[in-house]
Amino acid sequence: NAGVTQTPKFRILKIGQSMTLQCTQDMNHNYMYWYRQDPGMGLKLIYYSVGAGITDKGEVPNGYNVSRSTTEDFPLRLELAAPSQTSVYFCASSSIAGGPPGEQFFGPGTRLTVL
Amino acid sequence: AQSVAQPEDQVNVAEGNPLTVKCTYSVSGNPYLFWYVQYPNRGLQFLLKYITGDNLVKGSYGFEAEFNKSQTSFHLKKPSALVSDSALYFCAVTPWDDYKLSFGAGTTVTVRA
Repeated sequence: NAGVTQTPKFRILKIGQSMTLQCTQDMNHNYMYWYRQDPGMGLKLIYYSVGAGITDKGEVPNGYNVSRSTTEDFPLRLELAAPSQTSVYFCASSSIAGGPPGEQFFGPGTRLTVL
Repeated sequence: AQSVAQPEDQVNVAEGNPLTVKCTYSVSGNPYLFWYVQYPNRGLQFLLKYITGDNLVKGSYGFEAEFNKSQTSFHLKKPSALVSDSALYFCAVTPWDDYKLSFGAGTTVTVRA
């Protein structure tokens, strides 16, 4: 199993540009999450999904959108990039087998810089 | 709403000495508690979790954590630290009926040879 994969690893955007961060998991997990990590701030939840077709906002959703058309994929969309979105983005997934909360499995991250 | 506090930004220990990383939490109802470790330029890796039962939880790489309900703490411990334990450690909590984790700000552990 590859686990959770994310692309790209690095990206530099100009202010106002758009991009999609890709996330795929091959563990058949129902739950998927997007976090951003800023220095000294821990991880903040952006969006999450409990299954295909179901998404909901986390703690810091402004400026982002998500979709979940399949169990495997959970892309994160930035529509109008702003310098405040400079961060490291992590995708994670977890299983509900045995009841929540299962441990979350993290991807390697995408380092995004908005200039 | 739940929250986690990791009161130390940095912990420095000598190799072979005991290592403790502190975590306190706030949550409604019974907590589910987790520790994750992050090595440079990598994603987070699961170390251990407390769901119910024995207050002392054993996890990966020789780490353990003690759940203390009265002090609302879940400190991570290792009896003998290794240089390879140098990393960023995160404590996280969720209520028993939820699955969204709240993370602490993280503690950087440096183990010197």
